[in-house]
Amino acid sequence: EVQLVQSGGGLVKPGESLRLSCAASGFTFSFSTYNMNWVRQAPGKGLEWVSSIAYSGDNIHYADSVKGRFTISRDNAKNSVYLQMDNLRAEDTAIYFCAREEEGLYGAQDYWGQGTLVTVSS
Amino acid sequence: IQMTQSPSSLSASVGDKITLTCRAGQSIATYLNWYQQKPGKAPKLLIYAASSLQSGVPSRFSGRGSGTDFTLTISGLQPEDFATYYCQQSYTTPIFTFGPGTNVDIK
Repeated sequence: EVQLVQSGGGLVKPGESLRLSCAASGFTFSFSTYNMNWVRQAPGKGLEWVSSIAYSGDNIHYADSVKGRFTISRDNAKNSVYLQMDNLRAEDTAIYFCAREEEGLYGAQDYWGQGTLVTVSS
Repeated sequence: IQMTQSPSSLSASVGDKITLTCRAGQSIATYLNWYQQKPGKAPKLLIYAASSLQSGVPSRFSGRGSGTDFTLTISGLQPEDFATYYCQQSYTTPIFTFGPGTNVDIK
């Protein structure tokens, strides 16, 4: 059974940092068809794609809203993807989801983590 | 690529057939996916590539469209279908855009 289990998150002050983790199981994490993504959802709002990383870790993209402040990475030996969030702002407050992207499904995200809440407030 | 959805909300009854619409700001061929999200839960993939049903999703869900205009139809609404539905373009993968969502609630 495919599972994505997230950890990290919490309450931080503006300007502080936080690291989110997403541990994958039930599939070959390093397989070339599986890219990983982070998607967030501000309270009461819609979904916003945040970042993606290719299976090899060398093709990385960010939404303009987080570029220069967030860093995505993955450790295929640990079947995990991470999101390092620096210089956090109040507008980064959201539930963050990791999601598996399956190239064979036209890039759709077919499995999602349970979500983790990040609150940025003084 | 900007995505829009209509209506923003819809009230319906169990057994109804409903159609949700998604429009892309430019042609995205059939790189369009639909997700269902219930309160406090992660999104669930329903349809990929505009019309392909994800494994395990009931056949009452169907998708159509290409280019800029797409629809998601639920034929015979069930109690568990009351949720928010998002479209997503994956034409510009690995960069994605979601629509603002359509909330389907009970009439």
